Amino acid sequence: TQLLEQSPQFLSIQEGENLTVYCNSSSVFSSLQWYRQEPGEGPVLLVTVVTGGEVKKLKRLTFQFGDARKDSSLHITAAQPGDTGLYLCAPSGDYKLSFGAGTTVTVRA
Amino acid sequence: DTAVSQTPKYLVTQMGNDKSIKCEQNLGHDTMYWYKQDSKKFLKIMFSYNNKELIINETVPNRFSPKSPDKAHLNLHINSLELGDSAVYFCASSQDGTAVYGYTFGSGTRLTVV
Repeated sequence: TQLLEQSPQFLSIQEGENLTVYCNSSSVFSSLQWYRQEPGEGPVLLVTVVTGGEVKKLKRLTFQFGDARKDSSLHITAAQPGDTGLYLCAPSGDYKLSFGAGTTVTVRA
Repeated sequence: DTAVSQTPKYLVTQMGNDKSIKCEQNLGHDTMYWYKQDSKKFLKIMFSYNNKELIINETVPNRFSPKSPDKAHLNLHINSLELGDSAVYFCASSQDGTAVYGYTFGSGTRLTVV
């Protein structure tokens, strides 16, 4: 079983600030997905990263996959209250995604 | 049109009761899942099904019995409910078991056992 760590556990920032959350493991991932879960809802897929060193952008969100495919980060520029939620990473696995414990992000207006 | 719908949204019941949660997906996906999210927001796989066949049972007590009448439906029946079963249960689906295109989750069923 691969150990997946997400950090920080909680993050509270003011609107307009930038933030980065991390997903790390001692194992190599074939691919990794990031999800955001808003209160009272299920997680929603944001991105899948596949290639080591890959960078993907989704508006103000930038996802990076480590060269060795053991880690990933999510950077949000000029955060807005709508970015509030639980950010989860999950390495791919046949017939199951094993999620990290998540980072709870709160963006204050 | 809701892609993955689960009912009910809230369920409050007494210890020892039996309850069911229903899930349906209209995406034409082959694979469906049940996840449990505890009070610390940790999301853990319980079961996965592919085309109505059980693929993964992640050491879930046999009080939990999933049933898939067809590939668009995956229901969860729980017998003899215990306090520790209180959690939010999520149904999800994916195109296939590799989930290359990700999972689509329902909005969850909050189960409270009193």
